[in-house]
Amino acid sequence: SAVISQKPSRDICQRGTSLTIQCQVDSQVTMMFWYRQQPGQSLTLIATANQGSEATYESGFVIDKFPISRPNLTFSTLTVSNMSPEDSSIYLCSVRGGREAMNTEAFFGQGTRLTVV
Amino acid sequence: QKEVEQNSGPLSVPEGAIASLNCTYSDRVSQSFFWYRQYSGKSPELIMSIYSNGDKEDGRFTAQLNKASQYVSLLIRDSQPSDSATYLCAVNRAGKSTFGDGTTLTVKP
Repeated sequence: SAVISQKPSRDICQRGTSLTIQCQVDSQVTMMFWYRQQPGQSLTLIATANQGSEATYESGFVIDKFPISRPNLTFSTLTVSNMSPEDSSIYLCSVRGGREAMNTEAFFGQGTRLTVV
Repeated sequence: QKEVEQNSGPLSVPEGAIASLNCTYSDRVSQSFFWYRQYSGKSPELIMSIYSNGDKEDGRFTAQLNKASQYVSLLIRDSQPSDSATYLCAVNRAGKSTFGDGTTLTVKP
């Protein structure tokens, strides 16, 4: 299984500011994803981070609000821009290990607990 | 209709009993299926994966998949208090997983 380091683990931010969350994997992975988990709810996919190209966003999520970078096969960032209290949530990085791993299990980082005040 | 639906909880079983968790999905071309366990304040961790019809056993856990019925389940035998957590069903297609809302299980000593 891949070892995923996600930081920060938590933050409290002022509304209107932005926060960048980092996800570092200990091995090269083809697929990296960013999820949001709001309090008491399940995981919602924000986007697929594509190496060397723009991320692919799910319905309801846009690049201006959640810009994503993926400069190589082991690292990605998610920025939550112009934050409001509604953005308070846990943000999770997820990877599928290996180059031929589209249908294998996904692994998760420790999550970033964001509170916007 | 949600893409992935899990039996509503919370579910409470006595220690040593069998806990049964169910999940149905709407996308017929889904390719792989997973059960994750999530403790409060923690990230999801993989419990079981299943790819073809039938049963798959791993220790106290058994996953069952019926693609014709679009149904996947997880049985936990000899439930322990440490099994108390939220269990998430995930259905995967082309690398992207869709998660159910989860079923919260409490195992009472």
